[in-house]
Amino acid sequence: QKEVEQNSGPLSVPEGAIASLNCTYSDRGSQSFFWYRQYSGKSPELIMFIYSNGDKEDGRFTAQLNKASQYVSLLIRDSQPSDSATYLCAVWEGAQKLVFGQGTRLTINP
Amino acid sequence: EPEVTQTPSHQVTQMGQEVILRCVPISNHLYFYWYRQILGQKVEFLVSFYNNEISEKSEIFDDQFSVERPDGSNFTLKIRSTKLEDSAMYFCASSGRNQPQHFGDGTRLSIL
Repeated sequence: QKEVEQNSGPLSVPEGAIASLNCTYSDRGSQSFFWYRQYSGKSPELIMFIYSNGDKEDGRFTAQLNKASQYVSLLIRDSQPSDSATYLCAVWEGAQKLVFGQGTRLTINP
Repeated sequence: EPEVTQTPSHQVTQMGQEVILRCVPISNHLYFYWYRQILGQKVEFLVSFYNNEISEKSEIFDDQFSVERPDGSNFTLKIRSTKLEDSAMYFCASSGRNQPQHFGDGTRLSIL
């Protein structure tokens, strides 16, 4: 079983600042990485996915992948109170099965 | 935007009873999944399904669990004889080939 590790937080960031969320994974052969946002009591919502080393930007979100160091990160620029949620890092394994980390709880303070 | 729909949103069942959770995946998706999340814990993979058969299943998915695609739109998870530890949120997801998975809103299963 591949492992995906995240700091469970809580991570507290002032409104308007950059929130940085990190994730490490155990299997050097992993190829596909996903960030999901989960509000309390709700389902995971896809935010970003990244397959290649480097950065991938989508609006206020940037995913960064470093396969040599086996980490993937998510940056949220201009953080808003509505960004307060748990962010789940997930890695593809086998026949498209997702292995999730335990999630980082992010709080944006107005 | 197309979405995965799950019913019911909340299911309360006596221990030992059978329960069926229902999902309608996104219409052009071919890969279907069930995950569960016990309160306060990680999202855990249960099973993946493609071309009318199970592609992969986890250790959690024992003989008490089964999945079925009874028609062209529904995808169901059956738990034959529920235990207290089956209490969790159950999420259905679907995807295209090599595409990200999209999750339904989940069914909260409470076993009494």
